[in-house]
Amino acid sequence: KAGVTQTPRYLIKTRGQQVTLSCSPISGHRSVSWYQQTPGQGLQFLFEYFSETQRNKGNFPGRFSGRQFSNSRSEMNVSTLELGDSALYLCASSLMSGNQETQYFGPGTRLLVL
Amino acid sequence: GENVEQHPSTLSVQEGDSAVIKCTYSDSASNYFPWYKQELGKGPQLIIDIRSNVGEKKDQRIAVTLNKTAKHFSLHITETQPEDSAVYFCAASRGAGGTSYGKLTFGQGTILTVHP
Repeated sequence: KAGVTQTPRYLIKTRGQQVTLSCSPISGHRSVSWYQQTPGQGLQFLFEYFSETQRNKGNFPGRFSGRQFSNSRSEMNVSTLELGDSALYLCASSLMSGNQETQYFGPGTRLLVL
Repeated sequence: GENVEQHPSTLSVQEGDSAVIKCTYSDSASNYFPWYKQELGKGPQLIIDIRSNVGEKKDQRIAVTLNKTAKHFSLHITETQPEDSAVYFCAASRGAGGTSYGKLTFGQGTILTVHP
């Protein structure tokens, strides 16, 4: 089975721009979670989608948004980019958004904001 | 909210030695505790996980122990090899519902270096 795939793998943007990142979960997985990883803050939860619905959201500003499509693929969008948004963005998929579900991570998209 | 503390931040061992990484969590409702290994340029890879109804779990050279009363859990790697060198993260989550869906709270990570 193919793993979680994320595109693009690398991105360079300038302040004020917006960016869209894509995540394709493992086949059959319906839940997708997004995380931001930085050296200073570590891995922080952004949001989770299940059956095209956002079920949970972390403590990030409204500039961070996402969506999920009927095939479970997910996108996240960051508008009005700031220097501090430079990070590795990871998505993880699991079968369901249920109790104690194992999450499998993709390789991430590395975003650099100049 | 949940807080997960992980120690040590760096760990250096000789090949063949054992390595132990410890985590404490704050939310007594947490009931799932995975450990991930992250190599340079890659996403975190699940190496072992434990659920709150189990005190210990082993998989070859890797074991995890959980003490619910003290709210801490540990990763044990025996007979370490150079390829074990990576960053290791512990995480915790509670059952589904409300603010729990799909959320793992991670520790700050441990850089493990195994010297040949």
